[in-house]
Amino acid sequence: GAVVSQHPSWVICKSGTSVKIECRSLDFQATTMFWYRQFPKQSLMLMATSNEGSKATYEQGVEKDKFLINHASLTLSTLTVTSAHPEDSSFYICSARLRDYEQYFGPGTRLTVT
Amino acid sequence: GQNIDQPTEMTATEGAIVQINCTYQTSGFNGLFWYQQHAGEAPTFLSYNVLDGLEEKGRFSSFLSRSKGYSYLLLKELQMKDSASYLCASLDSNYQLIWGAGTKLIIKP
Repeated sequence: GAVVSQHPSWVICKSGTSVKIECRSLDFQATTMFWYRQFPKQSLMLMATSNEGSKATYEQGVEKDKFLINHASLTLSTLTVTSAHPEDSSFYICSARLRDYEQYFGPGTRLTVT
Repeated sequence: GQNIDQPTEMTATEGAIVQINCTYQTSGFNGLFWYQQHAGEAPTFLSYNVLDGLEEKGRFSSFLSRSKGYSYLLLKELQMKDSASYLCASLDSNYQLIWGAGTKLIIKP
């Protein structure tokens, strides 16, 4: 089956620093990937849609200058949280679209900002 | 607007059957998904319905009624490991998933 990986699986960083999270589709090419954020006991919140070779589409309320997304190849999208603050601590999950109705999720990255 | 409704929490007994309901209103419709999510983990795919009716897959079944904007997930022979959150998601006209808040299912011995 289709596999999506994320790296790192967890990261602790200091306030004010930047953190990069990678999302890779291991056995298929994905022109579209999605980045979600999930706070404890809440559902997934779509942050942005990442399209290979073009700018990401951000959801309302998500700061594009703070959450930088790069989808440089058909198998890799990266999310960089710039100048992280404690309120950015969350579970970040990516998914990759194989077909219109098929998305596969990565295992998630737990970010803790101290 | 777009809206997905499902109960916040349900409790059931090991070995029993539980039905988790979901109603949806989305801009266009390209199918209804159910995902299982254990605490601290990413969602895992359970089912996809785009036509009316019941789809059975082992202990799990999913039902869809497009005319009613309604779906349910049926879990049989409940096991302790089924304790998790169950997320309902509708695929809208842009093939974007619109997520419900999830139903936390608690299984008691």
